[in-house]
This record gives sequence, structure tokens and C-alpha cells, in this order.
Amino acid sequence: NAGVMQNPRHLVRRRGQEARLRCSPMKGHSHVYWYRQLPEEGLKFMVYLQKENIIDESGMPKERFSAEFPKEGPSILRIQQVVRGDSAAYFCASSPPFAPGITGNTIYFGEGSWLTVV
Amino acid sequence: DAKTTQPPSMDCAEGRAANLPCNHSTISGNEYVYWYRQIHSQGPQYIIHGLKNNETNEMASLIITEDRKSSTLILPHATLRDTAVYYCIVRVGGNYQLIWGAGTKLIIKP
Repeated sequence: NAGVMQNPRHLVRRRGQEARLRCSPMKGHSHVYWYRQLPEEGLKFMVYLQKENIIDESGMPKERFSAEFPKEGPSILRIQQVVRGDSAAYFCASSPPFAPGITGNTIYFGEGSWLTVV
Repeated sequence: DAKTTQPPSMDCAEGRAANLPCNHSTISGNEYVYWYRQIHSQGPQYIIHGLKNNETNEMASLIITEDRKSSTLILPHATLRDTAVYYCIVRVGGNYQLIWGAGTKLIIKP
């Protein structure tokens, strides 16, 4: 999937533990997005980040969830005190910078991280 | 809510062309039509996008009607590996939020 790297691919956590999901965007991409897909549902937008900035976190739950994209290193989606309802596939995507009306800023997705909370 | 309507499922014989329709009757003049697919347990894969003109790449062709209210994704020679859920999404070029509908589950049969 066009070079967006996510790890781990599968993660099992007990209720109350923390989950950390990592994402390295495609080479040359400075924008990162996180989406969540619950079983048998479509993808839902969570958060949009640029280096050291959260641009839009309107889709992210207000509690327990946080995301960062530091100057160096991958983007991290962190889920604290996981509950069974957090079990889902979490997809990271990346793109070049946007400009209104400009095509070619296609968003490319990684293979996903499957979180199972037991 | 998704601004597109797609049939929930379709079958196609291996080696034949798969034609996947999408209705987007409320599309605005500056919105692009994007197609992605998701093979089971994998991430969404970008296929193709277009604004007004028909588009073709190594994966597929996209036919957009003149009034832009509908489009068709064509996989010219479907293989078993093309079995996936196909999503049609309308999006302003600078809009980073992709709104995903239910898609079409395409099953390629031997």
C-alpha cells in the first residue's frame, strides 16, 4: 500500500492497559491521518496531523485517545486504559501537503494495526 | 454521511470486465470522484480518481457521466485477487476527510 508503514500489525491488550500504534508516512509526505474501522463498518476519520501539530482531531474520542507526530520519528496513536470497545483496525494514511483545488494530493493508507482488547 | 450510493454486492467471472457503478447525484463542481478498494484484512488501496474526464491507469478505468451524477469503475480483466470491497468517495481536492460509505463487495468467481 504505497509505503505507509504501520506497526504492530496485531496487538492484544488486556482491559486497562495502554496501546501504542506507530505510523511512518510515505517518503516525502508530511501529513498523517488516523482512521478507525470497527468490525463490519466503514472507516471513520479520527485525527489529522502535520509535523508537531494536530490540525484536526474532531473524530477522536475526547478521553483516553491521543495522537502525535513529532519532528523526528513516526506518528503515534496512543490509547490509554483500553476497553473492549476499542477493539478495531486502526489505519494510518499519509499525503503530500494540500492546496485548495489541487489534484494529486491522494491519500495513501497503510496495512493497519489490529487491536484486540481481552 | 457518504454522498455516494453503491450496490452492496456484485459478482463477476474471472477474466471478464467488472463494472462497478456509483451514484453521486449531489456532487459539487469542485468535487473529485475517488475509488479505493479494501481486500479482506488489508488497508484501503487507492485505485483511481477523476473530476470530469474519463481516466485510465494501470489498475482501472473511470468513466464519469457528462452531468457528473454517476460514474463507473471498470476493471478490464478481473482476477480472483480483485475480490474486495470497492468504495466510491466524492471529495473536494483540499478536503482531507474521506467519508466512507458501505461500498460494493465484488466477488470474482472462477
